[in-house]
Amino acid sequence: DAGVIQSPRHEVTEMGQEVTLRCKPISGHNSLFWYRQTMMRGLELLIYFNNNVPIDDSGMPEDRFSAKMPNASFSTLKIQPSEPRDSAVYFCASSLVSGTGQYFGPGTRLTVL
Amino acid sequence: GESVGLHLPTLSVQEGDNSIINCAYSNSASDYFIWYKQESGKGPQFIIDIRSNMDKRQGQRVTVLLNKTVKHLSLQIAATQPGDSAVYFCAENMQGAQKLVFGQGTRLTINP
Repeated sequence: DAGVIQSPRHEVTEMGQEVTLRCKPISGHNSLFWYRQTMMRGLELLIYFNNNVPIDDSGMPEDRFSAKMPNASFSTLKIQPSEPRDSAVYFCASSLVSGTGQYFGPGTRLTVL
Repeated sequence: GESVGLHLPTLSVQEGDNSIINCAYSNSASDYFIWYKQESGKGPQFIIDIRSNMDKRQGQRVTVLLNKTVKHLSLQIAATQPGDSAVYFCAENMQGAQKLVFGQGTRLTINP
C-alpha cells in the first residue's frame, strides 16, 4: 500500500520566491495535516483538514502561508513570498478519522536562501 | 551566533537490552495516545497506540503502558537492535478533539 506521498522531497529556493509543497494522503483517509519540524521548535501543526475542509489553521505562521485541499487525494501548502526562516522539513500526515493515528509522509526539506 | 535547538532527552542502551522511554502527558482529558519513531531523514512512523480504557498494550517487541493516575506513558522495547536508534515521540489526543499534541521526543541510541 502506498503511504502518504509528498513532493518535492527537497526544495532549495531564494528568498522572495513562491514555494508549493504537495501531498497525496492515504486513500480513504478523511483527515489531512500539515506540520513543520525544526531543531528550534520541534514538530508544529500548521493546519488540518477534515473531508477537504480546513478546520484549524491557527498554527499557520503568517499570511504568507496558505493551504488548500481541492479534493480528497490532494493538498498543497504554499509559501509566498518565502523567507530564510521558513527553512524546515514540512510533513504531511493523514488519518482515517481525525484524532486517531496519523500516518506521516517522508517530508519535504525546504531551504530558503 | 550559535543557534540553540531543542535539547532532546537521550537514552543510551546496549544492543540486546530492553529500553524504556517515558512520557508525561499534559491533559487529564486525553483518551488516546500514540508512540511514533522518527529515524534520521524520515517522517515519524506510527508504532503503537493505546486508549485510556486500557493500561497496557503489546505489539511486536514493543509494549506501551499507561498510568492515568500520574499522567504517564511509557514505551518498552525488548531486545533493542541497531535499527531501533531513532527519536521517539509520544502524542496525546483529548477526547473530542481532532488533533494530536506531540511531546518533544527522546533520542534512543543503541550501543554495539
